Amino acid sequence: KAGVTQTPRYLIKTRGQQVTLSCSPISGHRSVSWYQQTPGQGLQFLFEYFSETQRNKGNFPGRFSGRQFSNSRSEMNVSTLELGDSALYLCASSPGTGRDEGYTFGSGTRLTVV
Amino acid sequence: GNSVTQMEGPVTLSEEAFLTINCTYTATGYPSLFWYVQYPGEGLQLLLKATKADDKGSNKGFEATYRKETTSFHLEKGSVQVSDSAVYFCALSQGGKLIFGQGTELSVKP
Repeated sequence: KAGVTQTPRYLIKTRGQQVTLSCSPISGHRSVSWYQQTPGQGLQFLFEYFSETQRNKGNFPGRFSGRQFSNSRSEMNVSTLELGDSALYLCASSPGTGRDEGYTFGSGTRLTVV
Repeated sequence: GNSVTQMEGPVTLSEEAFLTINCTYTATGYPSLFWYVQYPGEGLQLLLKATKADDKGSNKGFEATYRKETTSFHLEKGSVQVSDSAVYFCALSQGGKLIFGQGTELSVKP
């Protein structure tokens, strides 16, 4: 069974640019969540999608957005990149709410903003 | 608000030593609790979970018991190996999202 696939693995962008990250969940999983991991702030929740609808949102500025497609694949977009957006972005999927099953994480996309 | 607090690292142990990583939480209601492990350059792997009070999660020799009275979910292993060297995260699930502790780095020396 294929795991959660995130592309690309590494990305270097310049301040002010925008970036799109992709996540393919485990087959049959309808929930996709995104997290930002930095040395200073640790792991922080960005948002969660379920059946193409945003179900939860964390405390990030509007520059961070996402969407989910009918095949459950998800994309995350960050516009007007800032140096502080440099982080490991992790995607996680779950069959339902994740409360009982937990979440399966991908290997992440390492974004560096210069 | 909901939060998770873990003991600070790094924790350095000799092979075959006993491991305890403390985790306490603050939450309304009855969250599920998880331990995740992160190896260098990788994402998070679910190590074990517990969904209600007094549940014991276990996997690969690791154990943790959901203690509602002390709001704790401490991770234990009787005999660690060099391959257990990683960062361990305690987390609670509530409202469709995970709230993580700051992580505890474990280094096991041969």
